[in-house]
Amino acid sequence: DAGVIQSPRHEVTEMGQEVTLRCKPISGHNSLFWYRQTMMRGLELLIYFNNNVPIDDSGMPEDRFSAKMPNASFSTLKIQPSEPRDSAVYFCASSLFHEQFFGPGTRLTVL
Amino acid sequence: GQQVMQIPQYQHVQEGEDFTTYCNSSTTLSNIQWYKQRPGGHPVFLIQLVKSGEVKKQKRLTFQFGEAKKNSSLHITATQTTDVGTYFCAGKVDSNYQLIWGAGTKLIIKP
Repeated sequence: DAGVIQSPRHEVTEMGQEVTLRCKPISGHNSLFWYRQTMMRGLELLIYFNNNVPIDDSGMPEDRFSAKMPNASFSTLKIQPSEPRDSAVYFCASSLFHEQFFGPGTRLTVL
Repeated sequence: GQQVMQIPQYQHVQEGEDFTTYCNSSTTLSNIQWYKQRPGGHPVFLIQLVKSGEVKKQKRLTFQFGEAKKNSSLHITATQTTDVGTYFCAGKVDSNYQLIWGAGTKLIIKP
């Protein structure tokens, strides 16, 4: 198994631009999590999907952030418009039972 | 809200010395997981503890779950350069899907 796949690995964009992060979870996993990691705030859960349905998006910072999971093998996290304070590493993780398997992350820099 | 406090934030050790990180929850946990994140990497699952008072070992790593299921520790004996990274605890509360993450303890080996 290839593990959780995220793309792009690095993204540099200018303030105001739309950013789309992509995630392919491990086949057969029924839970998917989007996290954001920064030095200041540590690891924050943004949104959780179970069986492709968003269960809790209370961690999404504001309306500029949106996430979708159109099927069991794909999810996106979109930021529109992006701001410099959105700069962080964004992780996608998937799970079947208890253990969460993290992807390599997308390092986002908003100038 | 529910919190998991993790200390210390950093620990500098000489190679060969021991390392310990502690987690304390504001609420009783159903289980606690430990993850390791290497510099520039993503969190990787190490172990899950479920039972009150449980102790598990993985080579030089010893994990403990407190009797009240509110605290946990990770102890590394005779640290090696390969142990460098940040160690996170993450607790799960019954009736809740998500993990409550500690802030992590960064293990630094002094040159």
